[in-house]
Order: sequence, then structure tokens, then C-alpha cells
Amino acid sequence: DVKVTQSSRYLVKRTGEKVFLECVQDMDHENMFWYRQDPGLGLRLIYFSYDVKMKEKGDIPEGYSVSREKKERFSLILESASTNQTSMYLCASTTRPGTQHFGDGTRLSIL
Amino acid sequence: DQQVKQNSPSLSVQEGRISILNCDYTNSMFDYFLWYKKYPAEGPTFLISISSIKDKNEDGRFTVFLNKSAKHLSLHIVPSQPGDSAVYFCAASGETSGSRLTFGEGTQLTVNP
Repeated sequence: DVKVTQSSRYLVKRTGEKVFLECVQDMDHENMFWYRQDPGLGLRLIYFSYDVKMKEKGDIPEGYSVSREKKERFSLILESASTNQTSMYLCASTTRPGTQHFGDGTRLSIL
Repeated sequence: DQQVKQNSPSLSVQEGRISILNCDYTNSMFDYFLWYKKYPAEGPTFLISISSIKDKNEDGRFTVFLNKSAKHLSLHIVPSQPGDSAVYFCAASGETSGSRLTFGEGTQLTVNP
């Protein structure tokens, strides 16, 4: 079974802090994704990566950056956290093409 | 613009009856469609998919129907069970989008005992 692990289930940070969300997958998938889920808005793609050191902007990349130094790990960075970034963050991975496999999410609160 | 739309934020049905969840899309380049199910505090899990070369795909209690001319798909759950209560997301992809998926807003299904 594919395992996608997100480092934290719940996280509370303050405005202006730099925040790191980590995601690790164990199936050697090329593609990894970061989404945020907000009520009534569904899952919106922030960034994705097709390979190590490669990244592509999704639909809502503003205020975020990513890092993919190793194939199994994809990090989402909030450069200077703001209250409107309070959300559920979901990481996913897949082969090309294929069904995306999701982690359990990180519920991030920015105070 | 919202390329995948689920117009019903919520749906409530009785146990044993049919649940029908609907999804519309606008991008004619989409050729692969998926349904995901999400429980609170868990990530979405894949449920069923359909390719544009088909108009129906069935897996146990779950059937997805695709109407390409109407750019509409639906998920039927028969019979519905209380454990089916979850948020259901419709998603789509196309040849030009690679493995990237576009999701709808989600529909909260509640199955009452």
C-alpha cells in the first residue's frame, strides 16, 4: 500500500513566522502535490513537482514556495505566515499517470 | 474559473436508498474522471474512476456515469450505508494536464440510519 506521511497533523503558528510542512512518500512516485482544502472551495492546487528539484505553480501559489531535494520528500514553505493561510493542507503523490494518493493532512492555524 | 463544479454542497439520504452525486465540467480536454471520498481528519481516498471512452463504470455499490455531450458525470451509491457519510470530491484530468487533477468543491453526503 502507498504511504504518504505528513509530518504534523495539527500545527499552530503566528503571523509572520516561516512555516515548513513536510511530506514523505514511500512508493518512488515521480509526482508530488500540495493542496489546501477550504470549506466550499474544494481542493486547490498550490504547487506540484514532476521530479527532484523540479517545481510547477498550481492555481494558488502566492505566499508559498516548495522544495524537492529528494524524490520521496516534498516540502511546502509559508515564507511569512498570514491568517488567511489557516487551512487544511494535503500532500499527494502519484506515478505518471495514475490515481493520486493522499496523506492525512495538516490542519494549520495561523494566529 | 471553476472547471469542475459540484453544485450541491450537501445531500442527505436514508440508509438503503440510492445516493446520486453530480458533477459538471467545462474543459473539453478532460478525458479521465475520478471520485474521491474524504472523512474528517483523513486525506481523500480514491473511490472510482472513468475514462472518456466509456460511459459507465461499476465497482460494487458504486457506479459512475459519464455523459460527454453534457459534460456531466454522476456517482451512484446503491444501497447507501451510514458509513458512506463523507465528503465526495469529483476530479478530472486531461492529456495536457499530465497527472495534475482539477477538483470540484465537494458534496457532503449524510446517510441516515
